[in-house]
Amino acid sequence: KNQVEQSPQSLIILEGKNCTLQCNYTVSPFSNLRWYKQDTGRGPVSLTIMTFSENTKSNGRYTATLDADTKQSSLHITASQLSDSASYICVVSGMTYKYIFGTGTRLKVLA
Amino acid sequence: NAGVMQNPRHLVRRRGQEARLRCSPMKGHSHVYWYRQLPEEGLKFMVYLQKENIIDESGMPKERFSAEFPKEGPSILRIQQVVRGDSAAYFCASSPTGETHGYTFGSGTRLTVV
Repeated sequence: KNQVEQSPQSLIILEGKNCTLQCNYTVSPFSNLRWYKQDTGRGPVSLTIMTFSENTKSNGRYTATLDADTKQSSLHITASQLSDSASYICVVSGMTYKYIFGTGTRLKVLA
Repeated sequence: NAGVMQNPRHLVRRRGQEARLRCSPMKGHSHVYWYRQLPEEGLKFMVYLQKENIIDESGMPKERFSAEFPKEGPSILRIQQVVRGDSAAYFCASSPTGETHGYTFGSGTRLTVV
């Protein structure tokens, strides 16, 4: 069964600290993996996208890694800001047009 | 480019009424996807449409739900005889081709059934 699992479910950190979010997937065949940021009441916004051959991708303070052999990905957030408070969703595409969504990690950054 | 536009942003319906959700894709995008997000759950694929064609509706409930993407105008997700369990956020995405690389999501419609 195609699944995407994320951990932790929720996370609270202090402003300025770093954090790492985890994603494990069983989607096969694999096309690409994205990390999305979803603010409360908004649609998902893409942070990074990686294909099978890519190991890491950065977008400002966000760095995603992918290990296609172990089917694991991580999202590292550096020097967190209050505006980083959101849900971070790992999304995997197995077919060309359909995404499998994880349930997300809810990140809260405190001042 | 205004992005993917969904309306209304919030919709309240009484049980048994009909809900119509609209999605206008990004300019130049002819592929539309609908996803549903139940409370505390991840987004789940419902249906994939191109102009005047339903390509994949494997995620749509068999009854009461229908979707269309006419030659002119927005894509419509229609829910007949709504029940409390239909309360969710419904997101539309569009892409220029039938691939996930170009996916852009709208801000969603939050349906509340009372």
